[in-house]
Amino acid sequence: GQQVMQIPQYQHVQEGEDFTTYCNSSTTLSNIQWYKQRPGGHPVFLIQLVKSGEVKKQKRLTFQFGEAKKNSSLHITATQTTDVGTYFCAGQTGANNLFFGTGTRLTVIP
Amino acid sequence: DVKVTQSSRYLVKRTGEKVFLECVQDMDHENMFWYRQDPGLGLRLIYFSYDVKMKEKGDIPEGYSVSREKKERFSLILESASTNQTSMYLCASSSGGLSYEQYFGPGTRLTVT
Repeated sequence: GQQVMQIPQYQHVQEGEDFTTYCNSSTTLSNIQWYKQRPGGHPVFLIQLVKSGEVKKQKRLTFQFGEAKKNSSLHITATQTTDVGTYFCAGQTGANNLFFGTGTRLTVIP
Repeated sequence: DVKVTQSSRYLVKRTGEKVFLECVQDMDHENMFWYRQDPGLGLRLIYFSYDVKMKEKGDIPEGYSVSREKKERFSLILESASTNQTSMYLCASSSGGLSYEQYFGPGTRLTVT
């Protein structure tokens, strides 16, 4: 079935370095959402992107939706230890179809 | 704040047992969802409900059923638990459909032996 691929699966960075995770879909998405799950916690909604080429920022986090609405990225500038967790994208392809990516687990080394 | 609660954090059941996982939300949300989360596979949608007594199959409904008798409560049922259903089960709710922000519960880690 339809899947949203997410890379990398793991990322270790030194505190202060940047971090990026990417999501790709083989079909056009109507929208894409991003969630963060802290270790031992549950996913928490970060943002939703709907428009082609859309870019949104939340402090050090920058979210992009591709022009073709088939890919998206989350970029964190100057990571902090509070950024630790797994970041998931979730792409919607139809009214009843929402596919989560496999997630990128971010470790920040102090 | 939205609160989504799940009946158990940890559950151990035997193969063949009938298992009920309960989820309750307190924000009068129309939509509720059940996911399972497995390492390397992310979250996969099992079933969702957009109204009382209504249900829709998600990506992996086989081996599961659901019940929504009241707006605030959504139950996931494993008719005959199997070892491959050992997983983390997450419930979520939203004010709209799949394109709306979802609020997740703390999860139930189910082990089937």
